[in-house]
Amino acid sequence: NAGVTQTPKFRVLKTGQSMTLLCAQDMNHEYMYWYRQDPGMGLRLIHYSVGEGTTAKGEVPDGYNVSRLKKQNFLLGLESAAPSQTSVYFCASRFTGSTPLHFGNGTRLTVT
Amino acid sequence: KQEVTQIPAALSVPEGENLVLNCSFTDSAIYNLQWFRQDPGKGLTSLLLIQSSQREQTSGRLNASLDKSSGRSTLYIAASQPGDSATYLCAVGWTSGTYKYIFGTGTRLKVLA
Repeated sequence: NAGVTQTPKFRVLKTGQSMTLLCAQDMNHEYMYWYRQDPGMGLRLIHYSVGEGTTAKGEVPDGYNVSRLKKQNFLLGLESAAPSQTSVYFCASRFTGSTPLHFGNGTRLTVT
Repeated sequence: KQEVTQIPAALSVPEGENLVLNCSFTDSAIYNLQWFRQDPGKGLTSLLLIQSSQREQTSGRLNASLDKSSGRSTLYIAASQPGDSATYLCAVGWTSGTYKYIFGTGTRLKVLA
């Protein structure tokens, strides 16, 4: 049972490049989330999904897009990376709103 | 606006001491609250989840309490050990139907041997 797996672990982008971060969970969880963590600002919610085919905006959605075509996968896209998107990105999932949130190990992204 | 605050930002204690970490939140209509531990460079590990109908949860040396009316939760760590050194975060989910958690900025704990 792998839990929540994030790919890649590290990435360096140049300003204006695009990329997709993949989050996969094997726990049959309905809810999935993308957070970013920055020093002094804690974790901030980017986008989330309450089931396959659904997505919704969080606190800081600008510059990001997401898709949940399959229940087990939640993709986070950066269409045109900016230095302000340098951060550690965490994916999380849970079965229902009443169950614990499980996190992946994060993706460290640097935009130069 | 729904906000979560954790004070202090950092705490240093000698080994063996009992300690309390604090989490405050605006808007008492919460759904549940979860405490996490984060080691440097790692992801978050769930410690305890308290539903809005519960007053406390216990796991080993950890005890988390919830007082919705005052907008507070505390995480009690008994007989602290150097291995407890980490950042502790609380996250709150509200009953607004949006299913999202808001995180505090965490308390960085160092337990000295």
